[in-house]
Amino acid sequence: SYVLTQPPSVSVAPGQTARITCGGNSIGSFSVHWYQQKPGQAPVLVVYDDTDRPSGIPDRFSGSNSGNTATLSINRVEGGDEAHYYCQVWDTSGDHSVFGPGTEVTVL
Amino acid sequence: EVQLVQTGGGLVQPGGSLRLSCTASGLTFRNSWMHWVRQAPGKGPIWVSRINGDGSKTGYADPVKGRFTISRDNDKNTLFLQMNGLGFDDTAVYYCAKEQCRGAGCFHSHWGQGTLVTVSS
Repeated sequence: SYVLTQPPSVSVAPGQTARITCGGNSIGSFSVHWYQQKPGQAPVLVVYDDTDRPSGIPDRFSGSNSGNTATLSINRVEGGDEAHYYCQVWDTSGDHSVFGPGTEVTVL
Repeated sequence: EVQLVQTGGGLVQPGGSLRLSCTASGLTFRNSWMHWVRQAPGKGPIWVSRINGDGSKTGYADPVKGRFTISRDNDKNTLFLQMNGLGFDDTAVYYCAKEQCRGAGCFHSHWGQGTLVTVSS
């Protein structure tokens, strides 16, 4: 099964940019999706298809994907952005979702 | 607005059974592929199972094959997960989630609130 890797944690000062990476073999050939999860809550989709945002998600959230790394960027970070962030791809060989292990974003 | 409301879950002894339910509103349920995803304490989400709109196609993760059964009642807009032969490793929060696909890439556009399943003696 396809394996995704993420750094366990990222720390960022308010107003700065947080960059969360998601690694995988030729991940650039996949569509990557990102979820935000706050404690005790269900995941919320924040970016889909590498770069698109669902309605209601601020444009401070953006994504990119190339080669072996996809990246979720959060511009002008706010305290409310503290959460775990998970990347996800669709494994067409098994017709199922594969999630990364998650990155905890801490706002200093 | 799409809403997925879950019921079921709780504490069960090893080897026991539970049934989870997920009732949908705000979407054309019978046209939607639906999934179950679980998340063990302190871990990332793990895909468990999926079912197509009319219930004729299903898929399972290897750890639950032969023990879990996904099903749906489109007249009641409800998704189910029957879990048998539960073991300690099945302890997790279980989420139902709606699938959305663009080309070859699928993702989970909406999630239920989650329900905790605890397997303990």
